[in-house]
Amino acid sequence: TQLLEQSPQFLSIQEGENLTVYCNSSSVFSSLQWYRQEPGEGPVLLVTVVTGGEVKKLKRLTFQFGDARKDSSLHITAAQPGDTGLYLCAGRDNYGQNFVFGPGTRLSVLP
Amino acid sequence: DTGVSQDPRHKITKRGQNVTFRCDPISEHNRLYWYRQTLGQGPEFLTYFQNEAQLEKSRLLSDRFSAERPKGSFSTLEIQRTEQGDSAMYLCASSWGAGTDNYGYTFGSGTRLTVV
Repeated sequence: TQLLEQSPQFLSIQEGENLTVYCNSSSVFSSLQWYRQEPGEGPVLLVTVVTGGEVKKLKRLTFQFGDARKDSSLHITAAQPGDTGLYLCAGRDNYGQNFVFGPGTRLSVLP
Repeated sequence: DTGVSQDPRHKITKRGQNVTFRCDPISEHNRLYWYRQTLGQGPEFLTYFQNEAQLEKSRLLSDRFSAERPKGSFSTLEIQRTEQGDSAMYLCASSWGAGTDNYGYTFGSGTRLTVV
């Protein structure tokens, strides 16, 4: 069973600042996803990465998959209060058909 | 299509009672998943269906939990003899998948269960 670690656990920043959150594992993943979840709602898919070293951009969000496909990062530029939420990474190996989730990074962007 | 629907949104039950939750996935999706999420944690996998077949069940899932997807469309998750430790958000997700290919999940808004 893969275990995903996410850091930091909590992050509180001011509007306009940049930030990076991390997702790490000792396992190799065939694909990795990032989700954002707001209180009382289900997670919403942001991106899927499948190739080692892959970088994807979604407006102010930049996602990177590690070369060895064991880790990933999410960088947010000029954070806004609307970015507040729980950021979850989820990984799948070559054999499983479901994704294993990390514990999440809870981000708070203060106006 | 209105996405993944879950019913009810909230459920309060007394310990020892049985509860049943329903999930209506996106109609084109062949895969359906149940996850459980407790406060401060990420979703934890419970079980997964491809069409009507239940293909995987977490070892963490006790015998009090059962899930069905009778016609490969909606699914139900039943918890018998509820315990306070069952209190959590129960999330349903659906996706399209073939073989080892699997696209991202679309989650419902969840059912929050409180066992008193």
